[in-house]
Amino acid sequence: DAKTTQPTSMDCAEGRAANLPCNHSTISGNEYVYWYRQIHSQGPQYIIHGLKNNETNEMASLIITEDRKSSTLILPHATLRDTAVYYCIVRRGNRDDKIIFGKGTRLHILP
Amino acid sequence: DAGVIQSPRHEVTEMGQEVTLRCKPISGHNSLFWYRQTMMRGLELLIYFNNNVPIDDSGMPEDRFSAKMPNASFSTLKIQPSEPRDSAVYFCASSLGRDREQFFGPGTRLTVL
Repeated sequence: DAKTTQPTSMDCAEGRAANLPCNHSTISGNEYVYWYRQIHSQGPQYIIHGLKNNETNEMASLIITEDRKSSTLILPHATLRDTAVYYCIVRRGNRDDKIIFGKGTRLHILP
Repeated sequence: DAGVIQSPRHEVTEMGQEVTLRCKPISGHNSLFWYRQTMMRGLELLIYFNNNVPIDDSGMPEDRFSAKMPNASFSTLKIQPSEPRDSAVYFCASSLGRDREQFFGPGTRLTVL
């Protein structure tokens, strides 16, 4: 499975856009990019996923580079409640592929 | 929807005792996953079921751990006998299919003294 590299931690001012990078230089053509987050003392929460095209939902936007070797998760207007650990995960789209969580990025939203 | 339900939320037990963790997945979901989270090892997949059948238990640490899913609405993770190194937060998650996004429960914090 392709591995991902994320910064250990990041800060972002409340109300600003939070841009979380992820490198996945060995990603295969049939592997998706998934993002989950884990707020303190809670279970992980699914945010968004994509294959090639940029994706947007009510929580965030996912920008995937044309070569698919990196991606950025964008929280457009960060709030204090977005303080969490964000996990970038690469997995195949077939039914037998497991989610493997790395160490993620600890995002601090500053008031 | 109530989401994934786990019980108990906290469990403190003594070394050697049997521990049973319970999970009720989201109604209609046919895949269920058990994870363990520690500071040292992060979030690890222990086992997952599809349509109540165990598919991959390669993450189960040793024979002291066992998991069952007798029906679509209930699963258990049992540790017998428990050891201090089993202390962790155990999460259950469910999804509509193995390749779909997973919904996690609140977790059970286990402390083995």
